[in-house]
Amino acid sequence: SQTIHQWPATLVQPVGSPLSLECTVEGTSNPNLYWYRQAAGRGLQLLFYSVGIGQISSEVPQNLSASRPQDRQFILSSKKLLLSDSGFYLCAWSSARDSIEPSNQPQHFGDGTRLSIL
Amino acid sequence: AQSVAQPEDQVNVAEGNPLTVKCTYSVSGNPYLFWYVQYPNRGLQFLLKYITGDNLVKGSYGFEAEFNKSQTSFHLKKPSALVSDSALYFCAGNTGGFKTIFGAGTRLFVKA
Repeated sequence: SQTIHQWPATLVQPVGSPLSLECTVEGTSNPNLYWYRQAAGRGLQLLFYSVGIGQISSEVPQNLSASRPQDRQFILSSKKLLLSDSGFYLCAWSSARDSIEPSNQPQHFGDGTRLSIL
Repeated sequence: AQSVAQPEDQVNVAEGNPLTVKCTYSVSGNPYLFWYVQYPNRGLQFLLKYITGDNLVKGSYGFEAEFNKSQTSFHLKKPSALVSDSALYFCAGNTGGFKTIFGAGTRLFVKA
């Protein structure tokens, strides 16, 4: 069965420090991968998605970047964190077999990283 | 602009009673619609989806959802609520591509 892991679960960082959040997926090949930010336990904002190694699409210009160095690894980074980067960050994957339309595939989420910036 | 709306911030229901969590959508083309549930400090869990065909979709944990094209709605329902159903519920939609639009979420409280 497929599983998705995110770490760390919680992180407290000072303003101006760098960030690296990791997400890995097991049990599936060539998944579509997503990074979301959830503010105040409510709506989700899509930050990045990736359809393959080294292929990153950014949805919102911001202080963050993403990378996909391996098929099932997705990393969210920042060089200098801002107070406004605080939030709950969620990684997700969806199936991406050739015959499947990505828009009708459910997404499967990790348990998130709660990031607090001081 | 495409959007998914959940008009209720919170729904309260007594255990054993039927529950409904409302969702309306405004998208161009034929939508793919989803419901997810989120428990505290956890990620979202997929409950069910509508792609095409039967307007009544059955999903996990006894939940079902009714697609109504004329009312552009996709309400989540369960015949008999459990205390353990208390959580945050998200409706989501997509008409193509990789960007799924999520509603703001509805908090469901089931009282024993």
